Amino acid sequence: NAGVTQTPKFRVLKTGQSMTLLCAQDMNHEYMYWYRQDPGMGLRLIHYSVGEGTTAKGEVPDGYNVSRLKKQNFLLGLESAAPSQTSVYFCASSWGGLGETQYFGPGTRLLVL
Amino acid sequence: QQQVKQSPQSLIVQKGGISIINCAYENTAFDYFPWYQQFPGKGPALLIAIRPDVSEKKEGRFTISFNKSAKQFSLHIMDSQPGDSATYFCAASTSYDKVIFGPGTSLSVIP
Repeated sequence: NAGVTQTPKFRVLKTGQSMTLLCAQDMNHEYMYWYRQDPGMGLRLIHYSVGEGTTAKGEVPDGYNVSRLKKQNFLLGLESAAPSQTSVYFCASSWGGLGETQYFGPGTRLLVL
Repeated sequence: QQQVKQSPQSLIVQKGGISIINCAYENTAFDYFPWYQQFPGKGPALLIAIRPDVSEKKEGRFTISFNKSAKQFSLHIMDSQPGDSATYFCAASTSYDKVIFGPGTSLSVIP
């Protein structure tokens, strides 16, 4: 049981480049989430998904897109990276929404130059 | 209305002492209040959580105290150990679509 995995672990982008972060979970969870973590600001919810084929905006969705084509995978895309998107990105999953235990991945550190 | 305030920002406690971290929320729609523990380079992991129908929950050395009227909740770590040294985040969420995390408290437990 790997739990929640994220790839890549670290990435450096130039401003304007695009990339996709992949999150995978093997717990058959319906709900999946993408957060960003910045120093002194805790975690902020970017987008979330309540099931395969469905996504919704969180607190800070601008500049990001997501897709959930398979139940076990949740992709976060940056179409045109900006330095303000330098952050650590965490994926999480849960059985039944935000009112249940969330299981977090190890994070992806992204640096946008 | 959506903010979760957390204090202190950092905390140093001697081994065997009690660590106390406080959080306050504003939105009365929140109905789930978890605490997460995060070690450097790792993702957060749920430590303990409470719902507003109880005022206290204890799991081992960890206790949440919840004051619904004051919109405050706190984490108490009894008999703090060096292995408890980590960053602790409180959060407040609705059941499905909103979650706000506090900014975190860096706890250091010294021998």
